[in-house]
Amino acid sequence: QSVLTQPPSVSGAPGQRVTISCTGSSPNIGAGYDVHWYQQVPGTAPKLLIYGNSNRPSGVPDRFSGLKSGTLASLAITGLQAEDEADYYCQSYDSSLSAYVFGTGTKVTVL
Amino acid sequence: QVQLVQSGAEVKKPGSSVKVSCKASGGTFSDYSISWVRQAPGQGPEWMGRIIPTLNIAKYAQKFQGRVTIAADKSTSTANMELSSLRSDDTAVYYCVREGQGLYFHYWGQGTLVTVSS
Repeated sequence: QSVLTQPPSVSGAPGQRVTISCTGSSPNIGAGYDVHWYQQVPGTAPKLLIYGNSNRPSGVPDRFSGLKSGTLASLAITGLQAEDEADYYCQSYDSSLSAYVFGTGTKVTVL
Repeated sequence: QVQLVQSGAEVKKPGSSVKVSCKASGGTFSDYSISWVRQAPGQGPEWMGRIIPTLNIAKYAQKFQGRVTIAADKSTSTANMELSSLRSDDTAVYYCVREGQGLYFHYWGQGTLVTVSS
């Protein structure tokens, strides 16, 4: 099972703001390792959304933002759009496992 | 533009092995590590291992130690992942991914479905 915990689902109406939490512990997020976020539309490969806690790759809208504090990270989506409906995963590195680790995943539904 | 193109879907018997290839284009192949990530049906992604092409050093997740081999060929900009002693719970989509500089997965292949069934 994953060492990074996310809520199974979040939902919001178009235009609203939603946040997804990613809770880790001392060997991973709490040890200072960066958190990264991915968006996955069913049937396609995950897509890098946020890297290094809060940086957006070229082409990712500024509606997506990330934060990290202590053992917790979060992804915020402002101005929610229908195309944002997807699964979202956080990812970090765990020093006790010596492995990259993913979160449990959150399904975002646009009402 | 970086592209990773993987080999096609496979159907394997339990106990057999599978080899998935990943050809990279765009950018310099040796400059970045390549990881393999798999995703079982209805599950989240799971990291399997990585290779640093310049050093040809591979590192594997403990779960797959002894069953997985990752290799890279700089001359053809290709990475391969071989998984042995296949079981039904190895049924998954397998992705090759080019890492970014900060321990994240930047560019993803299209995925290869491996089905293990008797």
